[in-house]
Amino acid sequence: EVQLVESGGGLVQPGGSLRLSCAASGFTFGSYWMSWVRQAPGKGLEWVAKIKQDGSEEYYVDSVKGRFTISRDNAKNSLYLQMNSLRAEDTAVYYCGRGSGYYVYWGQGTLVTVSS
Amino acid sequence: EIVLAQSPGTLSLSPGERATLSCRASQSVSNSFLAWYQQKPGQPPRLLIYGASSRATGIPDRFSGSGSGTDFTLTISRLEPEDFAVYYCQQYGSSPQTFGQGTKVEIK
Repeated sequence: EVQLVESGGGLVQPGGSLRLSCAASGFTFGSYWMSWVRQAPGKGLEWVAKIKQDGSEEYYVDSVKGRFTISRDNAKNSLYLQMNSLRAEDTAVYYCGRGSGYYVYWGQGTLVTVSS
Repeated sequence: EIVLAQSPGTLSLSPGERATLSCRASQSVSNSFLAWYQQKPGQPPRLLIYGASSRATGIPDRFSGSGSGTDFTLTISRLEPEDFAVYYCQQYGSSPQTFGQGTKVEIK
């Protein structure tokens, strides 16, 4: 059974940093693009970033470029999102998803709250 | 970036009725790379349709997708109680991939 489990969310002050993790199981992690998608409270979905199977390509939505870094460790079946210079508008539930187009598998999400 | 406009914002219907949800793109969606998701409170989205009209595994056949170019439709032929939720369209044919703002299907 495919499972994606996010962790690392929490309350952080504006300008602070946070690192999210996504632990994958039930499939060959290194064979898939992986993505992060976020959802602000009561709002819609926004794609954030994606990374190629071997980590050689990364893509970001404009609003996080230069602040967020997606990475992966295929030996640990894990996906990461390093978030720096956080802003109030980054407050959201962050989901990891398998793939880079449509998403069959999603984690349950981890809430990031940016507030003083 | 392709902007997806979903309509209506809210659809009030009774169980057994037919639901028709629209997703209009600001530019043509490449290869009809359009997906539909259902989301219930506190849960991640659930993929319903990909490639504009292909049902995902395990999705009941009362859900169907159609359209091409800039106009797409999700139809639920007969609403079941568990279908009342928010529905999102997503285009993944052009970078960045984008989502619509959602349509809430509520019980009338």
